Amino acid sequence: QKEVEQDPGPLSVPEGAIVSLNCTYSNSAFQYFMWYRQYSRKGPELLMYTYSSGNKEDGRFTAQVDKSSKYISLFIRDSQPSDSATYLCAMKAGGYQKVTFGTGTKLQVIP
Amino acid sequence: DGGITQSPKYLFRKEGQNVTLSCEQNLNHDAMYWYRQDPGQGLRLIYYSQIVNDFQKGDIAEGYSVSREKKESFPLTVTSAQKNPTAFYLCASSIMGPRNYGYTFGSGTRLTVV
Repeated sequence: QKEVEQDPGPLSVPEGAIVSLNCTYSNSAFQYFMWYRQYSRKGPELLMYTYSSGNKEDGRFTAQVDKSSKYISLFIRDSQPSDSATYLCAMKAGGYQKVTFGTGTKLQVIP
Repeated sequence: DGGITQSPKYLFRKEGQNVTLSCEQNLNHDAMYWYRQDPGQGLRLIYYSQIVNDFQKGDIAEGYSVSREKKESFPLTVTSAQKNPTAFYLCASSIMGPRNYGYTFGSGTRLTVV
């Protein structure tokens, strides 16, 4: 079993829809949770990060962490065609541990 | 502007040939990483380095080699021992310590065997 599981999609939604992207994980030591966005043929860029449980909002994006269920989510409100990309969840334990990435979910927002 | 520069953007390798991918950063980050990305497999760690002149194998190091002679540079050599090298290669860097979640990635090098 992989440490981090992420549905690869693709996920296709109409413009303006609310998008929910999710990851589950098995390592209870994970404390830092991140979402990266990767456009085609580009490197990933850090979108949001959260420490421990709770919600974090940034504009149209909301990151949610439920450590009791080992489940994290990224919500995108009022989705735009420019949001079309692959979204990778990532997480790490404390200290000097490396980051573990999910396989990514490909999102397409249709105008 | 600070960032990571990977070159070349596209690289073609003949069978039995070694090729070197360049990665340079001006972010003053201590840690640097090489990942390989294949469709459906996500990012797989090849090598990483936390300090100059030291590096560790990642999950798929066979057929690859690296060096870290300068803080800013972390080149990756894909050797002829790597049987399936066609992939998208990403270099990243980060600060050290508990807050190293913020990896900065380069734009990648797409390597194709011809």
